[in-house]
Formats: sequence, C-alpha cells, structure tokens
Amino acid sequence: QQQVKQSPQSLIVQKGGISIINCAYENTAFDYFPWYQQFPGKGPALLIAIRPDVSEKKEGRFTISFNKSAKQFSLHIMDSQPGDSATYFCAASHNTDKLIFGTGTRLQVFP
Amino acid sequence: DTGVSQDPRHKITKRGQNVTFRCDPISEHNRLYWYRQTLGQGPEFLTYFQNEAQLEKSRLLSDRFSAERPKGSFSTLEIQRTEQGDSAMYLCATGTSDTGELFFGEGSRLTVL
Repeated sequence: QQQVKQSPQSLIVQKGGISIINCAYENTAFDYFPWYQQFPGKGPALLIAIRPDVSEKKEGRFTISFNKSAKQFSLHIMDSQPGDSATYFCAASHNTDKLIFGTGTRLQVFP
Repeated sequence: DTGVSQDPRHKITKRGQNVTFRCDPISEHNRLYWYRQTLGQGPEFLTYFQNEAQLEKSRLLSDRFSAERPKGSFSTLEIQRTEQGDSAMYLCATGTSDTGELFFGEGSRLTVL
C-alpha cells in the first residue's frame, strides 16, 4: 500500500529558517494532495492541500509546491517557529477515495 | 464540540480480550474512515463507510476486526481476541464524498498486554 514516499524522516531547523519536506507518489490517478500536522498524543490535523490543476498553493507561512510531471510535491514552512515542531504527513487520494499517507517527517525547530 | 469524537481515548487490555471503540462524526459528514497508526508510522487505512454502507476494507484487516455504522451516524470498531500486535492508535476520520477532505479525531490508543 506504500504509494507515497516521504523524506526526510526527520528535520532540524533553526527558528526563522525554512523547513522543506518532500513527497513522491506513484499513482498518476491521484488528484488530491493534503498535508497533515500531528502533535504527540493527538490526531492528525489538516494543514493545507492542493489539487493537480495548480503548481503552488500558499496559506500563511505554509506553501505546497506541486510537480505533476515528476509526481512530486513538497511542503515549505517559512519562518519556522518552535511551535511548528511536530510530525508532518503527506497524503494522496483519487476521486475522494481513501487517503494514502506517507511515513511522516518529524520536524524540530530550535530557538 | 463539533469535531470528531472518539471513545475511549485509552484502553489497556489483556491478550485475548475483546475491545470496542466508538467514533462520533461531524454531523454533516457522510463518510467515516478508520485508520490505524503505530509509532513512527503514518496512518494506515482499515475501512470506510459512506452513510451506513461499508464500501471498502483493507486486505490487512483480519477477520478479528469488524466495524459498523448503524443508521449512518456513529461507528464502532471491534477487535476480537486481541493480540499484542494490535497495540496501536486507532484513528477515526470523517468527511464528505464531494471534497476528499478528512478530519481526524484524537484517536483511541490500545495497549494489549
């Protein structure tokens, strides 16, 4: 079921820096690509999502870049803050079907 | 609270016992999903419902697992004859069939001794 590959597994960033997490998918039928943020002991929370008709979507400090030909998408967190320290999951689905998740990236932002 | 609600939040049981988890969805959501998450891994799909119909079950879901969604509202996930390998966080997520967006509950953590 591993159709979404995520990297890196962990990431350490200084406060104010840019955090970049990458995902690659295999199924060209996927048409919805969300990112989720998860804090310890909590359920995943939807952060931002993109569909393949656009190459970039920005919401505040969070940006998704999407490359359809390469079958890759990435999450950029600008001006990273200690409060952003969490595990981030990319996911993908086709035609509102079930989400397939990546394995997660643990982000630590140090002051 | 208008979010997805799961109960219990934590369950400790002995191997061989049966356990049941409950999920109450966001009221206007017609789809309800169950996922399992182990430490350091992403959520793994188990099954989902559209209204009261169970539309898909993962091939990974053993016959000890059963899920229901009577009347298309709340759902239950039962695990019979629990094994230590069942220890995980069981996540419920709900959404609508027209957007694909899923909203997760806080999860039910199961520990099998």
